[in-house]
Amino acid sequence: QSALTQPRSVSGSPGQSVTISCSGTSSDAGGYNYVSWYQQHPGKAPKLMIYDVTKRPSGVPDRFSGSKSGNTASLTISGLQAEDEADYYCCSYAGSYTFYVFGTGTKVTVL
Amino acid sequence: EVQLVQSGAEVKKPGESLKISCKGSGYIFTNYWIGWVRQMPGKGLEWMGIIYPGDSDTKYSPSFEDQVTISADSSISTAYLQWYSLQASDTAIYYCATVPARGGWFDPWGQGTLVTVSS
Repeated sequence: QSALTQPRSVSGSPGQSVTISCSGTSSDAGGYNYVSWYQQHPGKAPKLMIYDVTKRPSGVPDRFSGSKSGNTASLTISGLQAEDEADYYCCSYAGSYTFYVFGTGTKVTVL
Repeated sequence: EVQLVQSGAEVKKPGESLKISCKGSGYIFTNYWIGWVRQMPGKGLEWMGIIYPGDSDTKYSPSFEDQVTISADSSISTAYLQWYSLQASDTAIYYCATVPARGGWFDPWGQGTLVTVSS
């Protein structure tokens, strides 16, 4: 099972919006509404930002939103802030054999 | 508050065995899956496997199936990740995380355990 494909990096100025794509197949991201997104700051454990494609856990700012079209899920950060600079990973359920697959990761830089 | 606390950093030699732990608190340990995720130095996240402490049902990523063993002791709310013969390529940070249901998301995460394998 190959990793989900994400851009290596995206960047934006404070206040701008950035979108991170997560491209998979009909066997993972496209086949299930079980896509989640994680933020990881250097030296820290990952933190859940979005689950079930679009749902936001309590405490996650509403400038983070998720969506999906076909085999590609996306995370959008609106109103980019300095503290959003981190690595972001998508993850999808991939059926009862593979179970889970993570994305390749995207570094978000706030200019 | 749901919390996972992992065991401390380890330094091992190739061929040695190792068992690291992940202790849950603040919730009913047997009601949630626990997953393990590897992060090699400077690299991304890789799902390794998942266990349901309620009945010890365990699923492994095909990439890790013959490399590690996942177990749990519900009497002390602790999950384990074990190697019988470490290799240098096992050097990584290993995270555990709770999963509310099969197919669900990973949250919260433990703080990670750094495993270094070097001769």
